[in-house]
Amino acid sequence: DSGVTQTPKHLITATGQRVTLRCSPRSGDLSVYWYQQSLDQGLQFLIQYYNGEERAKGNILERFSAQQFPDLHSELNLSSLELGDSALYFCASSVATGLAGGRNEQFFGPGTRLTVL
Amino acid sequence: LAKTTQPISMDSYEGQEVNITCSHNNIATNDYITWYQQFPSQGPRFIIQGYKTKVTNEVASLFIPADRKSSTLSLPRVSLSDTAVYYCLVGTPSGSARQLTFGSGTQLTVLP
Repeated sequence: DSGVTQTPKHLITATGQRVTLRCSPRSGDLSVYWYQQSLDQGLQFLIQYYNGEERAKGNILERFSAQQFPDLHSELNLSSLELGDSALYFCASSVATGLAGGRNEQFFGPGTRLTVL
Repeated sequence: LAKTTQPISMDSYEGQEVNITCSHNNIATNDYITWYQQFPSQGPRFIIQGYKTKVTNEVASLFIPADRKSSTLSLPRVSLSDTAVYYCLVGTPSGSARQLTFGSGTQLTVLP
């Protein structure tokens, strides 16, 4: 158990719909990362939040958005869903102390499997 | 942003030592090299991280040559349960705007 929780575990929805995935980081971790993993794309970094602020952006579509709340949990919102959005969505957290050269192990949650029909 | 290249797959037998090499030609001065292990339908799990020379922990060793343009993950005496995808990751661990990018990973299959 990594200490990172994600809900729901599974989500089945239809094209055009909107869903929200939730992540609670490990206690004390300030950074939250979102990743998408599909069969043909591998593990793709989407976005990072650090202490409530967006820190880095990866291959995140404009239909997707995220935020990190004051209690440090994060939500990933996916809208206008398409069949190709079906994937495993992972959240990870880390201490990310901001000290250059420091160890920054990411702890991954169990993932949310999204199926768009 | 440092891009990594790894072999797509490798096979080994139980009890053997496995070495997986990752190329990262444009690694930056502040970048660390990190390896993760992933089992099917599970989130990746940290294995080891290093900056230069050699790092060893209870599960693996990481060898990084002086030019740091490549690194080798060494798994001693693998077992069937080591069958997984192994990712080489290059990036700064400082929590800054530099993103940490996962490569395509190496599927390691350990055979009996």
